[in-house]
Amino acid sequence: ETGVTQSPTHLIKTRGQQVTLRCSSQSGHNTVSWYQQALGQGPQFIFQYYREEENGRGNFPPRFSGLQFPNYSSELNVNALELDDSALYLCASSLDSGGYNEQFFGPGTRLTVL
Amino acid sequence: GDSVTQMEGPVTLSEEAFLTINCTYTATGYPSLFWYVQYPGEGLQLLLKATKADDKGSNKGFEATYRKETTSFHLEKGSVQVSDSAVYFCALSDRQSGNQFYFGTGTSLTVIP
Repeated sequence: ETGVTQSPTHLIKTRGQQVTLRCSSQSGHNTVSWYQQALGQGPQFIFQYYREEENGRGNFPPRFSGLQFPNYSSELNVNALELDDSALYLCASSLDSGGYNEQFFGPGTRLTVL
Repeated sequence: GDSVTQMEGPVTLSEEAFLTINCTYTATGYPSLFWYVQYPGEGLQLLLKATKADDKGSNKGFEATYRKETTSFHLEKGSVQVSDSAVYFCALSDRQSGNQFYFGTGTSLTVIP
């Protein structure tokens, strides 16, 4: 059984650019959540996708957007990058959207904005 | 809104010492509570969970009891090992807040031989 994978591992962008991060969910999981983890902090919820629809959103501006595909893989897009967007971006998949379900995390994408 | 407050670290213990990492929460509904662990160089992984009041989650010698009256979910282990050195995150998920997960800031534990 393949776990959650994310690409790329590391990324360097400049302020104002746009970035797309990718996530493949664990086999059989229909729900994907995205988190931003700043250095020394806990993960902050960005949004969740359940069966290709956004199913909840944290306190992030609209320039953070996402997609989920029919195979339940997902993308996180960030437009107009700012220096504060530098962080580890985590993707997590779960069997269903219920809050009691364990979330399985990928290794993350480290984004640096210069 | 929902939130999790975690004991600040870093925590350094000798092998076989008793561990407690405090976690308290605020939630609008009836949340599920989790402890996640991040070992050096690895991703977050679930350590244990509890989905209702008075439930006790346990795994690998770690335990935590869901205490509704004190809104707490403290992590304990009777005898830590060097291999327990990691960052520990308390988290909650509340259906009334859209099932999103709220994480604490993490507590770094180092166990020395």
